[in-house]
Parts: sequence; structure tokens; C-alpha cells
Amino acid sequence: AAGVIQSPRHLIKEKRETATLKCYPIPRHDTVYWYQQGPGQDPQFLISFYEKMQSDKGSIPDRFSAQQFSDYHSELNMSSLELGDSALYFCASSALNTEAFFGQGTRLTVV
Amino acid sequence: GENVEQHPSTLSVQEGDSAVIKCTYSDSASNYFPWYKQELGKRPQLIIDIRSNVGEKKDQRIAVTLNKTAKHFSLHITETQPEDSAVYFCAALYNTDKLIFGTGTRLQVFP
Repeated sequence: AAGVIQSPRHLIKEKRETATLKCYPIPRHDTVYWYQQGPGQDPQFLISFYEKMQSDKGSIPDRFSAQQFSDYHSELNMSSLELGDSALYFCASSALNTEAFFGQGTRLTVV
Repeated sequence: GENVEQHPSTLSVQEGDSAVIKCTYSDSASNYFPWYKQELGKRPQLIIDIRSNVGEKKDQRIAVTLNKTAKHFSLHITETQPEDSAVYFCAALYNTDKLIFGTGTRLQVFP
């Protein structure tokens, strides 16, 4: 069965660089969530989209932005990267008000 | 604000014993409560969920109970096995599009 696809799986960037993470939801899922998970921490909600519109916002820094495209895939853009941005970034998708399935995550390392 | 508290943070049990993890949530409007299991370095995987119209749900050795009045829900694992060792996250769905996680419980099952 199709799952949530995230790319890239691993990314190494230098401080002050920009990174773009991509997420392809499960077919027919219209909601996408982005989470940031630091080492040993719970996933922190960043932002969500429903039907290509931002539906909710969590602890997402102003340096980050995201959007959902017409094909429902989503991209998380991160600028002026800081060392503290190093984390696992998970994308999840769901149909409205149903369980969320997570992608395998993108491990971002900022050096 | 939205908040999910989870206890305990660590739990060690002997193989065959039961394990119970408890969570409380803050928004009485929440109506969907999934539990995720996360093995080291992997994505959170949904193991069981419950909606607000039921008080209990079972799936083999796993059960979840929900008390809407008290705003808490619990995960019960019976006859634990070493492969149950992982971090378990509870979550509550807010506004239908924001899944807030608890801080996680590291479960260790000793043979």
C-alpha cells in the first residue's frame, strides 16, 4: 500500500543555508502535518494544511514556511538555518478527522 | 492552550507483565486519540486509536480506555514482550487538524 513519502531522507546543510523538505501524502488524503522531533523529544507540531490551505500553525519559526500544492504534496522551506534546527522532520497525512500516517522522516543536520 | 500530558516518562516491566501509560488532555472538544509506537530512529507508527464516542477499544494485547469527563485516556499492554520495548506517544486531535503529542513513555520490557 502507498505510504507517505518524504524526501530527502537525509540532508546536511551549513548554518545560514536554506533547505527544502518534500512530502507526498497517501493518495486521497487531503490533510498534511509537519512535525519536528529533536533527539529524545516528542514530535512538535509545526504546521498543517487542509485542501491546500494552511489550517493550523504550531511552533514554527518565522524562518520556516510551507505550502501544499494542487497535487496535495507539501514542501517545508527552511531558511537561515541554525544548529538548533537539526532534527528529524516528519510529515504525516490523513483524510479529514482520521488517523494520521507518518512518513519515514527527513533527518536534517545543520553544521 | 492545547496540551497533552503523559506519564510515566519511563517504564520498566518484566516480560509477561502488564504496562499502563496514562495521558490527559486539555481541550474537551478533542474527539480523537491515537497512540503511536516509535522504535529507535524510526517514524511513529499508529498502534491503536479511540474516538470520543466509545470508552474502550481492544486489539489483541493492546487496549485503550477513554474517560471524557476526566479528560484522560490510557494505553494498556498485557503480556508484554521484549519487542514491545519502544517509545510510546499518546496524542489528541485538536480542531480536526492539529495532532498534539504527549512527551512520550520509554517502555523497556526485560526478558
